[in-house]
Amino acid sequence: EIVLTQSPGTLSLSPGERATLSCRASQSVTSSYLAWYQQKPGQAPRLLIYGASSRATGIPDRFSGSGSGTDFTLTISRLEPEDSAVYYCQQYGSSYTFGQGTKLEIK
Amino acid sequence: QVTLRESGPALVKPTQTLTLTCTFSGFSLSTSGMCVNWIRQPPGKALEWLARIDWDDDKYYSTSLQTRLTISKDTSKDQVVLTMTNMDPVDTATYYCARIQSSGAVAPFDSWGQGTLVTVSS
Repeated sequence: EIVLTQSPGTLSLSPGERATLSCRASQSVTSSYLAWYQQKPGQAPRLLIYGASSRATGIPDRFSGSGSGTDFTLTISRLEPEDSAVYYCQQYGSSYTFGQGTKLEIK
Repeated sequence: QVTLRESGPALVKPTQTLTLTCTFSGFSLSTSGMCVNWIRQPPGKALEWLARIDWDDDKYYSTSLQTRLTISKDTSKDQVVLTMTNMDPVDTATYYCARIQSSGAVAPFDSWGQGTLVTVSS
């Protein structure tokens, strides 16, 4: 099973700043089958990024993904208050596993 | 518009069997490439994939839970059912269903239900 480790656990930033979230896999993720989800309190996760760097439908271009192999990054530029959420990475190339999440707080 | 909705009991007793239903609209599970998954999330914890059923009735299960899970579909009703036997308090979680659409099923979960909280307690 591929284990995904996300860092940091919590990130506290101000509006307008840039957030960089990391996801590291215990082994190489097949064909960059890596996705990022946003989950706000009391809501289901929402797909942001798939294929490591492709934005899902309707996702603003402030959200971008990068990486390959075992190291992946979600970058949120120009943070807005509504970006406050928990962000999960997921690999879907070998069954499905999720990271433990990064909580992003907007000051 | 794609929608999914989970339904089932909010409370089950230890050792009982849980039955959850995912009712969906906006797509057909008889269409090639469509899959429906179950995922759960204990309170304050991370997501855990449980099971998947494909348009051709192929079924896949979490290795750690496969002996307790059964997934099935009723295409005529646009429903997917998950049963989990021998429930334990550690199974307390919000249970989600979510869709995959892909020719090879190698795709993320692009649409999710709102989830249903199941508490296991005597």
